[in-house]
Amino acid sequence: DQQVKQNSPSLSVQEGRISILNCDYTNSMFDYFLWYKKYPAEGPTFLISISSIKDKNEDGRFTVFLNKSAKHLSLHIVPSQPGDSAVYFCAASSKLTSGTYKYIFGTGTRLKVLA
Amino acid sequence: SAVISQKPSRDICQRGTSLTIQCQVDSQVTMMFWYRQQPGQSLTLIATANQGSEATYESGFVIDKFPISRPNLTFSTLTVSNMSPEDSSIYLCSVIPPGSYGYTFGSGTRLTVV
Repeated sequence: DQQVKQNSPSLSVQEGRISILNCDYTNSMFDYFLWYKKYPAEGPTFLISISSIKDKNEDGRFTVFLNKSAKHLSLHIVPSQPGDSAVYFCAASSKLTSGTYKYIFGTGTRLKVLA
Repeated sequence: SAVISQKPSRDICQRGTSLTIQCQVDSQVTMMFWYRQQPGQSLTLIATANQGSEATYESGFVIDKFPISRPNLTFSTLTVSNMSPEDSSIYLCSVIPPGSYGYTFGSGTRLTVV
């Protein structure tokens, strides 16, 4: 059972426009969410995160929105640039008894920004 | 943040053989995590490696197939044993740097089993 879902495997956006990547989760115990970006032949790199006590977090061109009642989060990239073309993974976690976090990843959305 | 060196970056292996993947971190970390990304799939946690104790494996993964070593706080290895084509994946090691909530990943090992 996939606890974290990214239902759009791919997305194409014109340069300068907004990119919206979506992520849904099923476990209401998740309390921390992250977005990662992955280029080919590289490991995923951390992009932005949000705690369940917030509904929005912004970092430059990247904003993550969290709707806890809908169990939905989204990543907005404005304006989109060709260098943003990559696979984006969302991840959700809850704190383990050991004090660390265990993350469940979505299947990823491949974003292509067209020049 | 931490810097992770993972090798090999890629390999093509014959079925029935084994491959050991190495992961070196530039700082001491309590836990190291090993993930697998099969083609078109999400990143799936294989096991968590603690220094000085046996690794903790996730459902569907067993020590005989994926033995892990963690000899110190900066190094770990994952072995993919008795490989079959279904083991063809990207294998990633990761850590959660002190003071951080999120993972830092190595660059991954792209394994193809023929």
